[in-house]
Amino acid sequence: EAGVAQSPRYKIIEKRQSVAFWCNPISGHATLYWYQQILGQGPKLLIQFQNNGVVDDSQLPKDRFSAERLKGVDSTLKIQPAKLEDSAVYLCASSRTPLSGNTIYFGEGSWLTVV
Amino acid sequence: GDSVTQMEGPVTLSEEAFLTINCTYTATGYPSLFWYVQYPGEGLQLLLKATKADDKGSNKGFEATYRKETTSFHLEKGSVQVSDSAVYFCALSDRNSGGSNYKLTFGKGTLLTVNP
Repeated sequence: EAGVAQSPRYKIIEKRQSVAFWCNPISGHATLYWYQQILGQGPKLLIQFQNNGVVDDSQLPKDRFSAERLKGVDSTLKIQPAKLEDSAVYLCASSRTPLSGNTIYFGEGSWLTVV
Repeated sequence: GDSVTQMEGPVTLSEEAFLTINCTYTATGYPSLFWYVQYPGEGLQLLLKATKADDKGSNKGFEATYRKETTSFHLEKGSVQVSDSAVYFCALSDRNSGGSNYKLTFGKGTLLTVNP
């Protein structure tokens, strides 16, 4: 079974530029998550999708971050304009259902450096 | 809100030493508990989990027991190897703000280095 795929793996941009990250979850997984992991910290949930609907985006900085999952499969996370403090690893994850105890599988992450 | 507190790292051990990484949690509901591991340059991988009180999760020689009375889920391994060097994250799964779905809340992670 293929894992969660993310691209690009690495990106360096200047502040105020924009960037987009793509995620393809494990086949058949209805729930998709985007996490932000700043160096030295644990991952923090940005947004959670159930199929193509948003179920939690309470910690997404909506003035600069946006995400979509139009067909309930792939997802894109966009940052515009980027700030220095957005430098982090952006982790996409998926699970079959959003139930407690269900295993959440993570991709390798997209490493963003804002200079 | 929900939170997870892990012991501060880094932790440095010699091969075959005993490992304990402490983890305590605060949750409004009845969470499931997880340990994830992140090897250098790789994504997060589930190491073990426990879904109810007194359950013991185990994998690759690692163990952790869900202790509701002490709100803890400490990770242990009897004899560590160099290949266990990684960052270990404790996490809980509890209902999100919408109330109908579950999300993971992570601790800050503990870096383990095992020397030969």
